[in-house]
Order: sequence, then structure tokens, then C-alpha cells
Amino acid sequence: TQLLEQSPQFLSIQEGENLTVYCNSSSVFSSLQWYRQEPGEGPVLLVTVVTGGEVKKLKRLTFQFGDARKDSSLHITAAQPGDTGLYLCAGYSSSNTGKLIFGQGTTLQVKP
Amino acid sequence: EAGVAQSPRYKIIEKRQSVAFWCNPISGHATLYWYQQILGQGPKLLIQFQNNGVVDDSQLPKDRFSAERLKGVDSTLKIQPAKLEDSAVYLCASSPVGFGNTIYFGEGSWLTVV
Repeated sequence: TQLLEQSPQFLSIQEGENLTVYCNSSSVFSSLQWYRQEPGEGPVLLVTVVTGGEVKKLKRLTFQFGDARKDSSLHITAAQPGDTGLYLCAGYSSSNTGKLIFGQGTTLQVKP
Repeated sequence: EAGVAQSPRYKIIEKRQSVAFWCNPISGHATLYWYQQILGQGPKLLIQFQNNGVVDDSQLPKDRFSAERLKGVDSTLKIQPAKLEDSAVYLCASSPVGFGNTIYFGEGSWLTVV
């Protein structure tokens, strides 16, 4: 069974601080995705990383895929209250059925 | 473009009662997913359809949960009888056919079993 473990599970920081969320697995994934979910809504895709070592930037968010394609990280610079939400990493199973497996999520609270 | 539509948004039922959730995916999307998300956790795939067929239902508790996809478009997820631990958000999602396409989620149906 392929599992994705996220850390930390909860993070409460002040506006302007930096943070990093980690997503780890013992399995190789062909790609990993990061989603953000706000209360009362479904997850929304932020980015997909495909190549080992790949780095993608989305404004103040930086996503990295590990060289071995078993882990990924999300770094937020100068966090703002609008970044508050549940951050989820997800990867497609190796069975190629299109089954998307999610990590347990990281709840981020950014206080003004 | 209209998104994934789900109803009802909220439902409160007593244990041992039944409930049904409906999902209308984005037009033209061949793949439809039902996920269960317990508060503060990541979504867990219950069942995945491609057109009319079931691709994966390995984590669907088949003694109480059932799902169907009518004519390869709309889908219904039913729980009968409900248990307290079924309290969760049920997310429907859809994607175009093909491996690795973006999955679009609906807003979810919130179920509370009392």
C-alpha cells in the first residue's frame, strides 16, 4: 500500500513568518500534487511536480520534488492570513488506474 | 464552465438510517470519484468510475455503502444503514479520461450521524 505522510499536521504562525510542509513516502510516485482546501470547500490543485529534483514557484509558494521522487516539500515565504487552510499532498498510485492517494494534510493557521 | 455539483450540502441523520448523495460531474469528464474526508484529514478514495464502469472500489465498505453512475454521467452514493463513524464530508470529483489529468472537486456533502 502506498502511503503519503505529511508533517507537521498542525502549524500556527504569525503573519510574515516562513514555513515548510513535508510530504514523505517509502514509495516512488510518478508525480506529486499539492492541493489547498478552505473550510466548506473541496480541495483545489496548486501544482503538479513530475521530474525528480523539480522546483516550481507560485508567487510566495515554492514546491520541490525529491530527486528519488519519494518526497516533496512546500515552502511559503512571508505567510499571510489568506494562506490559512488545509494543505494536502497527493500522488497517483503505481497501478496506473488514476487512483489519487492523499496525505493526511497539514492545517495551517496564519495569525495577523 | 460549470464545476462539479453536489447535493445535498448538509445532512443530519440518526444512526441506522439511510442517506443518498448526488453528484453531477463537469460535462465531458469520463472519470468520477467519490472521496470520504473526516474533519482535519486527507480525503480517502471510496470509489472511482470511468464512464459506467468501476475502476477501483477497494476501500468502499460494501456492506453499507453503494454507488452507481447513471449512463456514465451523474452518480449517487448511498449509505444504508449509517453508523456514527460515517460522519464526514463526501467529496465528488471528476477528471477527463487519461492518466494524470487534473481532478476537480465539488464542495462536498457534509454528513452528521447522531
